[in-house]
Amino acid sequence: QKEVEQDPGPLSVPEGAIVSLNCTYSNSAFQYFMWYRQYSRKGPELLMYTYSSGNKEDGRFTAQVDKSSKYISLFIRDSQPSDSATYLCAMTPDGGSQGNLIFGKGTKLSVKP
Amino acid sequence: EAQVTQNPRYLITVTGKKLTVTCSQNMNHEYMSWYRQDPGLGLRQIYYSMNVEVTDKGDVPEGYKVSRKEKRNFPLILESPSPNQTSLYFCASSLRVSGPQHFGDGTRLSIL
Repeated sequence: QKEVEQDPGPLSVPEGAIVSLNCTYSNSAFQYFMWYRQYSRKGPELLMYTYSSGNKEDGRFTAQVDKSSKYISLFIRDSQPSDSATYLCAMTPDGGSQGNLIFGKGTKLSVKP
Repeated sequence: EAQVTQNPRYLITVTGKKLTVTCSQNMNHEYMSWYRQDPGLGLRQIYYSMNVEVTDKGDVPEGYKVSRKEKRNFPLILESPSPNQTSLYFCASSLRVSGPQHFGDGTRLSIL
C-alpha cells in the first residue's frame, strides 16, 4: 500500500461547481497536512495546511482532516476557470528528522467556463 | 517578495558533463530541500539541509551532491549526469524541519 493515495483524475467541472478533492494515507504519524496547487510550468504553491485533525477555511477553500479515517479533503466552492491546475496533497510527521513531505500523485482539475 | 529562486529554469546537456542548479531563498529559512518530479512517481526528496553545513540524503540521492555554505543558498550538483536524471527539479524551504515548505518554480533538466 502506498503511503499517500490520490485519485489522479482528470476531473472536469463547470464553472461555479463545488469541487471535492481527496487523499488517503496509511502512516498514522502524519501530523501536518497540506494542499498545494501546481500550474503548468510552475512550482507547487501552498494553498492550505492543517495541523492534526479538524477543518480550516480560507475564502473559497476548505481543508478537512479526519485522522481516525486517515482521510483528507479539499473543497473548492464557486470554482473558477483560474482554479484549473493540478492539486497535490502532502503530509509529514511532526518532529520528523528528515522533513520529507510525502506527496500524493496529484489530481488534475479543469474548470470549464 | 518572499520567494525561492532556481536557476537555470531549463537546461539541455549531455551525459557526463557536470552541472549545478542553484537555489536561493530570501525568507531566512533554516530548512531547505531538493525534490524531483517524474510522471507517475510524483515528487520525491533528493537531499535536504537542516542548517548551514548540515545536509543529509533524502529518498533518491544517488548521482547527486549538495552543499550549504550559506543559509540562503542550497545548490544541487550533478557530477556526472546520466539520462535517468532527466526530470523536473524543485528546491523548497521552510522555517523549520516540520511543516509546510515553499517551492521554487522548477528546473527542467534534459540529459542526452
